[in-house]
Parts: sequence; structure tokens; C-alpha cells
Amino acid sequence: KAGVTQTPRYLIKTRGQQVTLSCSPISGHRSVSWYQQTPGQGLQFLFEYFSETQRNKGNFPGRFSGRQFSNSRSEMNVSTLELGDSALYLCASSLALGHTNTEAFFGQGTRLTVV
Amino acid sequence: AQSVSQHNHHVILSEAASLELGCNYSYGGTVNLFWYVQYPGQHLQLLLKYFSGDPLVKGIKGFEAEFIKSKFSFNLRKPSVQWSDTAEYFCAVSPAGKLIFGQGTTLQVKP
Repeated sequence: KAGVTQTPRYLIKTRGQQVTLSCSPISGHRSVSWYQQTPGQGLQFLFEYFSETQRNKGNFPGRFSGRQFSNSRSEMNVSTLELGDSALYLCASSLALGHTNTEAFFGQGTRLTVV
Repeated sequence: AQSVSQHNHHVILSEAASLELGCNYSYGGTVNLFWYVQYPGQHLQLLLKYFSGDPLVKGIKGFEAEFIKSKFSFNLRKPSVQWSDTAEYFCAVSPAGKLIFGQGTTLQVKP
């Protein structure tokens, strides 16, 4: 069974640009969540998508958005990039909404560097 | 606000030493509890989980954790660590639709 796949693995962008990250969940998983990992703030929840609808959202500005397609693949978009957006962005998939009584499986992450 | 606190940020042990990593959370309702591990250069992997039932849960690679509801704690233990256990360990709770992680504990095991 293939794991969670995130592309690209590494990205370098300039301040003010926008970026789109992609996540393919484990086959059969309908929930996709996104997390930001930084040395200072640790792992922070961005949002969760289930059946193509955003079901939960963390405390991030509106520049961070996402969507989910009918095949459960998800994309995350960050507009007007700031230096502080440099981070490892992790995608997690699980069977149930909100990780309720189920575990989350994480991808390798996309390392975004904003210069 | 819901939060997870891991007591130790950096732990250094010799091989064969016993390990206990502390984790406390603040949330009054029903929670799912997890310990994840991140080996150098690898993705987050689940070590063990607690949903309900026996508060002593066993995970992979000889790890176990005990859920003490009255103390809001979920401490991770291993009787004898190996060099290959060198990694970062994260405690997480899932109270309502998301995972809330602790800041992580870096474990360094000296051969």
C-alpha cells in the first residue's frame, strides 16, 4: 500500500510569490490534513479536508488556503509569501474525519524556503 | 486553549538505559492520544495510540505509554534504549478534529 505522497519535496520561492503544494493520500483515505513544522513553533495544524470540504481550520491567515479533489488528493496554496512561511509542510491522511479513533499517516513533507 | 506539554526538550542516554518522556495535555473532554517519532530524514511515524480501554498501551519497537486520566498525562517509556532510537519524539492529542502536538523531545542515544 503506497503511503502519503507529497510533491514537490523542496521549493525555493521569493517573497511575494505564491506556491502550491500537493498531497496524495493513502488509497481509501478521505481525510487530508495539513501541518506546518518550524523549529520555533513546532507542528501546527493548518486545516483538514474531508469529502472535498474544509472541515476544520487552524489559526493561520487567509493567505493559506487549500482544496480537495474528488479523488481525495489535496493541494495547499500560500499566497504573498513571507520569510516566516519558510517551513516543512506536512500532509496527513486518515480514514475518518478529525482523526477520530483513527491514526494519521504523514508524508515526507515539502520543505519551503522563502528568500 | 488546548495544549500539549512535553517535559524534556533534549534527552541524552547511553544504550541500555531506560527512557521515560513526559507528556501532559490540557483538555477536559474525551481525547485520542498519540506518540509519533521522526527519525533523521524520515517522515513522522506512529509509535502508539490510545483511544479507549486499557490505559497501558504497547507500540512498536518496544515502546509503551500509560494514560493517566486524573493527571492528564500520557508518558512514553522504553526499558532499554538502542542507538537506533535516536530521533525526535512528539506527543499529540486529538480532541476535536485536529492533532495538537507537543514541542517535541530530541532523544540522543550514545552507543
